[in-house]
Parts: sequence; C-alpha cells; structure tokens
Amino acid sequence: AQSVTQLGSHVSVSEGALVLLRCNYSSSVPPYLFWYVQYPNQGLQLLLKYTSAATLVKGINGFEAEFKKSETSFHLTKPSAHMRDAAEYFCAVSRSSNTGKLIFGQGTTLQVKP
Amino acid sequence: GAVVSQHPSWVICKSGTSVKIECRSLDFQATTMFWYRQFPKQSLMLMATSNEGSKATYEQGVEKDKFLINHASLTLSTLTVTSAHPEDSSFYICSARAGISNTGELFFGEGSRLTVL
Repeated sequence: AQSVTQLGSHVSVSEGALVLLRCNYSSSVPPYLFWYVQYPNQGLQLLLKYTSAATLVKGINGFEAEFKKSETSFHLTKPSAHMRDAAEYFCAVSRSSNTGKLIFGQGTTLQVKP
Repeated sequence: GAVVSQHPSWVICKSGTSVKIECRSLDFQATTMFWYRQFPKQSLMLMATSNEGSKATYEQGVEKDKFLINHASLTLSTLTVTSAHPEDSSFYICSARAGISNTGELFFGEGSRLTVL
C-alpha cells in the first residue's frame, strides 16, 4: 500500500524567507510523486512531479523538490517566498505513471507574512 | 492552462434528497475524469474513475448506488449523491485528464461543498 504524510498542517514564513514543505511517502514499489497547489477558490494545479528521472525536480513558480529514497522524502522548497505563494499545498503519490490514481497527503497551508 | 469547472460550488440540501454535481472540461476533451472527496483537514480520497461512454470504476468502500456517476460526453461528468445524509457532507472535487494517455496531466475543478442538513 502507498501513503503520504505531510508534516505540518500549517507553515508560516516571512516574505523572502525560505519555504520548506515536508512530505514523506511510503511505497512498496518505486513511486511517482507530485506536488499540487490550491489557491483560494481554485482547483488544484500541478507544481511538479517526479517520475524516476532526475532526483531534483524543478517546477513552476520557482519551486523545486528533491526525491530522497533513503529518507523516503520529497520535500518542496522555494528559496524566497512571495505573498502570492500563500495557498494550500498537497503532496501525492502514485504507484505508476497513471496520473489518475493519486494518493494525497493531508495538505499544508502556507502563510506568507509581509 | 486548461480549465475544469464544477457546478454548483456549494449546495445545501435536506436529508433524503439527491444532489447532482457537474464537472466540465471547458477547453479540452477528457475521456477520463476522476471524483475525489475531501473531509475537513483530511486528504483528498479518490472515489471513482469516470470513463466516457462506459461505467465508472469505484474505489473500494465507495457505494456505487449511493454515488452515481455519469460521463455521457467528452466534456461532462456528473456525480449524483442519492438520498443524501449528513455524513455525506463533504467537499467533492473532480479532475479531468487531458488526452487519451493515462499519463496525461490532470486538471482539477474548484470543488463543490455539500452540506446535508
């Protein structure tokens, strides 16, 4: 079985500070991993995905994530937070490249303070 | 990017009534759509996979007679919560997959919040 755990349901950073959103996964097979963002009153939008190619994945809006098999982690980072980054972030895992069969984490709310 | 729209965005109904939620892909065709359910402070849970022109595939534990899914066209899937009860109150989210490949990108709707009194 697969599962995803997002550590911290709420993260608050100052504008310009480093953003780190944590995601750990459990999977009995090589996983495909995703990060989605949900802005208020909008649908989820794909930030980036890991599909067994490069372990450091670059996404949109300056975000990136690193797949660490030894730590079963796929943490999301951004060097400098912007006010517009305030949103809900979801980590998800799939046992295959089938993008529909996703198992989501509980989500992390990112607050960016001026 | 591609747009997926859900309607209604929120609905309140009495216990025992049925509620229909629509999911439309506005600018692309989607042979496959997915329905998720999200309880407060919990993750999205996949309920079913909706394929155009065929029966939906339900995840384990999801009552197919309770949650009726119809995908009659390449741009529209509907979820009907039949004989709704308070425990069905939740946030329902759909997604549509672009293209015919199962690796196509997913585009999500804004979600529909159902409250059953």
